[in-house]
Amino acid sequence: GQQVMQIPQYQHVQEGEDFTTYCNSSTTLSNIQWYKQRPGGHPVFLIQLVKSGEVKKQKRLTFQFGEAKKNSSLHITATQTTDVGTYFCAVTGNQFYFGTGTSLTVIP
Amino acid sequence: DSGVTQTPKHLITATGQRVTLRCSPRSGDLSVYWYQQSLDQGLQFLIQYYNGEERAKGNILERFSAQQFPDLHSELNLSSLELGDSALYFCASSAEGYNSPLHFGNGTRLTVT
Repeated sequence: GQQVMQIPQYQHVQEGEDFTTYCNSSTTLSNIQWYKQRPGGHPVFLIQLVKSGEVKKQKRLTFQFGEAKKNSSLHITATQTTDVGTYFCAVTGNQFYFGTGTSLTVIP
Repeated sequence: DSGVTQTPKHLITATGQRVTLRCSPRSGDLSVYWYQQSLDQGLQFLIQYYNGEERAKGNILERFSAQQFPDLHSELNLSSLELGDSALYFCASSAEGYNSPLHFGNGTRLTVT
């Protein structure tokens, strides 16, 4: 099945610092999606990237799709306590695979 | 509110028992997915249905089965339960196609004692 590695597994940052999570695949992806799961909540869709080299922004969040369409990143500028949660990348194929997730803790 | 409804919210049962989890997708969504999330674990894909037909199967145990009914709601049946089956079970729905974003329900927390 599809192998999608996500790093880091955990990240603790001081409020105001930046945060980045990476998603890597061994095969070329048709698209990649990002989700956020707040503690005690359910995953919520954030964005989908389709094109090689695509960059999309949502306020302080920047999403990138690699040129080879094998990796993606989510960068948060100046983290806030509301950013706490686990961020998952997800890829589609025969199945809908989720990465292992990065758990973000923001220290006030 | 995602529009996806899962019942019950919590379920506590004993080993060896059988339970049924229910999911109603968002209005208009044809695909239903089931995922298992254990403590501090990721989302393990179990199975997907599209318009009543099984479309894809993941790491679903033989003790587990699912179906999607003509009204598009879905049920996940877990039998001969073991302690290790304790987890959060999520249902998600999407419009159609392989690339449509998933909309998750609030999950069913299963505890096997």
